[in-house]
Amino acid sequence: QKEVEQDPGPLSVPEGAIVSLNCTYSNSAFQYFMWYRQYSRKGPELLMYTYSSGNKEDGRFTAQVDKSSKYISLFIRDSQPSDSATYLCAMGPFGNEKLTFGTGTRLTIIP
Amino acid sequence: NAGVTQTPKFQVLKTGQSMTLQCAQDMNHNSMYWYRQDPGMGLRLIYYSASEGTTDKGEVPNGYNVSRLNKREFSLRLESAAPSQTSVYFCATREGPNYGYTFGSGTRLTVV
Repeated sequence: QKEVEQDPGPLSVPEGAIVSLNCTYSNSAFQYFMWYRQYSRKGPELLMYTYSSGNKEDGRFTAQVDKSSKYISLFIRDSQPSDSATYLCAMGPFGNEKLTFGTGTRLTIIP
Repeated sequence: NAGVTQTPKFQVLKTGQSMTLQCAQDMNHNSMYWYRQDPGMGLRLIYYSASEGTTDKGEVPNGYNVSRLNKREFSLRLESAAPSQTSVYFCATREGPNYGYTFGSGTRLTVV
């Protein structure tokens, strides 16, 4: 069993819809969580970073962490065609050099 | 500022050939990393360097070597390329543990 599970999709939604992307994890040592966005043929870019349970909002993006269920989510409101990309979750224990990534969810926003 | 610069962007090798992938960062970060990305496998850590002068193995180090030349540069070497090393390679850097990564734009390597 992988330490981090992420539905690969693909996921297609109409423009303006709310998108929900999720990851589950099994390692209770994971304490900080990130979401990366990766456009085709580009490197991943950091989108959201959080280390506490609950919600963190940044513009149209909300990161949610439930440590008791070992479940994290990324919500995108008012989705735009420019949000079409692969979204990767990543997580790790504090003070550790290694970060564990999900396999990524490919998202397409249909105009 | 360029952030993280990887060269080359594309490369085709024959089985058994060697090559070095270069990575340079201008962010003054201590930690540097090499990942490979394959369909369905996600990003897998090959080697990392927590600081200048140190390197450590990641999840998939076999067939690779690294050199942390100075604080800015971290190179990845394939001594005898194999088709299984066909992948997209990403260099990344961060200030230290608990921080987010900044990735380069990647090197697409095909071994035939």
